Amino acid sequence: EAQVTQNPRYLITVTGKKLTVTCSQNMNHEYMSWYRQDPGLGLRQIYYSMNVEVTDKGDVPEGYKVSRKEKRNFPLILESPSPNQTSLYFCASSLGHRNSPLHFGNGTRLTVT
Amino acid sequence: DAKTTQPPSMDCAEGRAANLPCNHSTISGNEYVYWYRQIHSQGPQYIIHGLKNNETNEMASLIITEDRKSSTLILPHATLRDTAVYYCIVRDTGTASKLTFGTGTRLQVTL
Repeated sequence: EAQVTQNPRYLITVTGKKLTVTCSQNMNHEYMSWYRQDPGLGLRQIYYSMNVEVTDKGDVPEGYKVSRKEKRNFPLILESPSPNQTSLYFCASSLGHRNSPLHFGNGTRLTVT
Repeated sequence: DAKTTQPPSMDCAEGRAANLPCNHSTISGNEYVYWYRQIHSQGPQYIIHGLKNNETNEMASLIITEDRKSSTLILPHATLRDTAVYYCIVRDTGTASKLTFGTGTRLQVTL
């Protein structure tokens, strides 16, 4: 089944403790992206990647890192999480051209205390 | 990418057509119009997209005005399961790049 898989689904951590949220897709998509969703603010793009080893900042990249060492994986790294990064996170992928829909994962709900 | 404007909320009676508008007055000739929806806190679900012509699939129809400055998503026979937040976005040329979702329209389908 074609899908975008995020792990974990839920994560509670403490301020400053490094964490990684994984994202994997099995559709051979070039484009991958991370979003965060907060009440009243909609979906905001954190980082995106056009292909392996190519990443770029979205609208809210501060406090996050990403890597794209292989096509299928696009992990989101929080080196030193803070409470304002408590949010619902979504990973998405597509073929990368404008005539290609995004496929979203089921989300990761992160709480930083 | 061009910005979009949607009403924050709409109601629709079950069984009736739901017509969700979207304004994208600064859209360029290469940008597609996409619609997604999000039910509760699930991942957004792709519905339909188009460039110039009207489109229809098993979920919905998309009507794009001739000047492409606005579009309407039509759910022909809304059900309670169509209650969701609907996002209209425009997508730039082959580089994909940034995609701005905005806050969408919350559609409430009622009995």
